[in-house]
Amino acid sequence: RKEVEQDPGPFNVPEGATVAFNCTYSNSASQSFFWYRQDCRKEPKLLMSVYSSGNEDGRFTAQLNRASQYISLLIRDSKLSDSATYLCVVLSGAGSYQLTFGKGTKLSVIP
Amino acid sequence: NAGVTQTPKFRVLKTGQSMTLLCAQDMNHEYMYWYRQDPGMGLRLIHYSVGEGTTAKGEVPDGYNVSRLKKQNFLLGLESAAPSQTSVYFCASSYWSRDRGVVGQPQHFGDGTRLSIL
Repeated sequence: RKEVEQDPGPFNVPEGATVAFNCTYSNSASQSFFWYRQDCRKEPKLLMSVYSSGNEDGRFTAQLNRASQYISLLIRDSKLSDSATYLCVVLSGAGSYQLTFGKGTKLSVIP
Repeated sequence: NAGVTQTPKFRVLKTGQSMTLLCAQDMNHEYMYWYRQDPGMGLRLIHYSVGEGTTAKGEVPDGYNVSRLKKQNFLLGLESAAPSQTSVYFCASSYWSRDRGVVGQPQHFGDGTRLSIL
């Protein structure tokens, strides 16, 4: 089982739609979780951290389920500018300095 | 404040040639990383450094060497380039933060080096 697995995508959604991405991780000792966004031919950028209690940032909501080793990202009222690849990222183990990146899920928001 | 700067941005090499990729950050971050990104593979860690004068291997270190002689710079070297090293290389830097129970490292990336080896 890969360390971090994501929905393969691509997701093609109309403007204004709600879309959800899922991610599972294999290392139960993983301690920190993030969503990064990567635009085509650009560098990844941190979108949001994922807190144990779940967290929201505007139209974006992240959830963590440690029991199921599952992370999700919900985007409401999709905008054309949300089109990008979304990377699920996990910091595994105490004292670890290494992030493990999922392969990403591509989102295209269509007018 | 430039953040993380990578040079060069593009390079074409012949098999067997050597080169060095330079990463510079001006945020006084302790940690620096080199990743490669290939289609369908996602980002993979090559080497990383947790401080000046220290380096460690990541997931795919073979064929690469690194040095961190100054805190702000992290160099990635290819001693004898191979076609399998054709990729997009990203450098990143980070600090250790603890925020609302999330122990993590927001990573700041450079804009990448596109390397082709013929």
